Amino acid sequence: QKEVEQNSGPLSVPEGAIASLNCTYSDRVSQSFFWYRQYSGKSPELIMSIYSNGDKEDGRFTAQLNKASQYVSLLIRDSQPSDSATYLCAATTTGTYKYIFGTGTRLKVLA
Amino acid sequence: DGGITQSPKYLFRKEGQNVTLSCEQNLNHDAMYWYRQDPGQGLRLIYYSQIVNDFQKGDIAEGYSVSREKKESCPLTVTSAQKNPTAFYLCASSTLDGSSGNTIYFGEGSWLTVV
Repeated sequence: QKEVEQNSGPLSVPEGAIASLNCTYSDRVSQSFFWYRQYSGKSPELIMSIYSNGDKEDGRFTAQLNKASQYVSLLIRDSQPSDSATYLCAATTTGTYKYIFGTGTRLKVLA
Repeated sequence: DGGITQSPKYLFRKEGQNVTLSCEQNLNHDAMYWYRQDPGQGLRLIYYSQIVNDFQKGDIAEGYSVSREKKESCPLTVTSAQKNPTAFYLCASSTLDGSSGNTIYFGEGSWLTVV
């Protein structure tokens, strides 16, 4: 099993809908998780981080962490065409400061 | 403004040449990282450094070297031993003391093309 896994997509949702992005992780990664958005040809930008079990909300974004099932998800409410990008899930590895990234999920929001 | 500056943004390398990518940060971050991203692929770690004059190999260190003589700077050299260097290179930094959650932040990236 890869340390951080994501479905590559593309995930297509209509404008105004909720986009749900998922990420699973292995035992090797620790409890710090991050979601980044990357537009084509640009560098990743942080959307939010989550460390504790449960939900964390920031504007239209909600991150959810479930340690028992080893997954972390990102919900985007009221999706906009400008949300169309690749979303990267990242985690820190246990005992080090190495960050491991998933391969990303491409999201397309259809106008 | 605080941030991470990478240069050059675009670089062309001839076969057999070494090239160096610059990365400077003024965020007072302890750790700096170099990632490589190939088209349609995820980020792969080349090297990371947690302190001046110390660095650790990542998953794809072969054909690359780094230095960390100053806290603010961590240049990456792509050597002629790297047979397929055409990629997007990302420099990043983070704290290590728990402030800002040790979140990793990225520079704007450098595109390297072999001609």
